[in-house]
Amino acid sequence: DQQVKQNSPSLSVQEGRISILNCDYTNSMFDYFLWYKKYPAEGPTFLISISSIKDKNEDGRFTVFLNKSAKHLSLHIVPSQPGDSAVYFCAASETGNQFYFGTGTSLTVIP
Amino acid sequence: KAGVTQTPRYLIKTRGQQVTLSCSPISGHRSVSWYQQTPGQGLQFLFEYFSETQRNKGNFPGRFSGRQFSNSRSEMNVSTLELGDSALYLCASSDGTSGHNEQFFGPGTRLTVL
Repeated sequence: DQQVKQNSPSLSVQEGRISILNCDYTNSMFDYFLWYKKYPAEGPTFLISISSIKDKNEDGRFTVFLNKSAKHLSLHIVPSQPGDSAVYFCAASETGNQFYFGTGTSLTVIP
Repeated sequence: KAGVTQTPRYLIKTRGQQVTLSCSPISGHRSVSWYQQTPGQGLQFLFEYFSETQRNKGNFPGRFSGRQFSNSRSEMNVSTLELGDSALYLCASSDGTSGHNEQFFGPGTRLTVL
């Protein structure tokens, strides 16, 4: 039972353009959402998070949007850079409980 | 601060054997979570330990077990290995004391079962 879904296994974007990664969830009790970035042979690294009381959180080139009614969140990267090429995981949790991760989206930024 | 360390980084075992993986969290972190990553399945939650007690558990068979020591270091054990246990096993540490804590991941242990 996949409670967090990333339906796009891969995405290719030209350098300088916007990258939009999407994530859907099924559990309406989730109240905290995160994005992680993973390079090969390394563990995931935290990128950005958002609480369910907000609908947008921005950190430099990275912005996460949360649409609670649609149970959907997205990560926008603007402008995209070749170093952003990695696998991106979204994760969600209900306070005090485990994190549920999506299956990941592999982003390739083409120079 | 030193990051999360996991040993060994690579491991090859045969079916039926057992294996123990180790994780040292970031100093001061009391929560350690374990995940299994396989192609197409993302990160599947195994269990979380906090102050030597299992606090959360995922949907894995009893062959997967863990423990946490008083210094917060954690071990994960898999008994009677199956081919399907081949995966990257990741541990993550966090402060664990408030409702939401960012998790810091180690580099993982790549287990291959032949």
